[in-house]
Amino acid sequence: KQEVTQIPAALSVPEGENLVLNCSFTDSAIYNLQWFRQDPGKGLTSLLLIQSSQREQTSGRLNASLDKSSGRSTLYIAASQPGDSATYLCAVFTGNQFYFGTGTSLTVIP
Amino acid sequence: SQTIHQWPATLVQPVGSPLSLECTVEGTSNPNLYWYRQAAGRGLQLLFYSVGIGQISSEVPQNLSASRPQDRQFILSSKKLLLSDSGFYLCAWSSGTLYGYTFGSGTRLTVV
Repeated sequence: KQEVTQIPAALSVPEGENLVLNCSFTDSAIYNLQWFRQDPGKGLTSLLLIQSSQREQTSGRLNASLDKSSGRSTLYIAASQPGDSATYLCAVFTGNQFYFGTGTSLTVIP
Repeated sequence: SQTIHQWPATLVQPVGSPLSLECTVEGTSNPNLYWYRQAAGRGLQLLFYSVGIGQISSEVPQNLSASRPQDRQFILSSKKLLLSDSGFYLCAWSSGTLYGYTFGSGTRLTVV
């Protein structure tokens, strides 16, 4: 069964710092990987979707990379802002369903 | 554009009472639909998914059931709620393997 791990579980950084969130998965047979943001008490907002044939996707200050063979993805956030504070979840799609990590809780300190 | 609606946003129900949560999708046809539960401090757990009207797959045995009476409507139900049913319930839809998930805004259920 696919297992998705996110490290670290929590991260606190000063405003303006660049940061990297990590996601690893045990089975490389995936169709795509998706990064989400979740604010407290809210639903999940999609940030980036990477197909299995792609190496990276970019949206504004966010860049996600995918190394399918090693079972890893990273989410790079440039010039962090307090508004980036949220929980970030990665999920891999295996054909039937998405498997989610437990998330990284990010706090950006003004 | 496609939108997903989920209601109610919050719900407080006594133990033993019934439950009905509704999710509807607009702007697409024949979506794959999903119900997830997120318990406090834990990851998302897939409860049910549906690839078509009347087609429901369950991932875990539980006190809940799901139905898809129309193409873009997905309902999560229970006849008698348990305390352990408390959590944050999320509905999601997908067009297929290339398009990822889009989530609803969630329902916070507290069983008292």
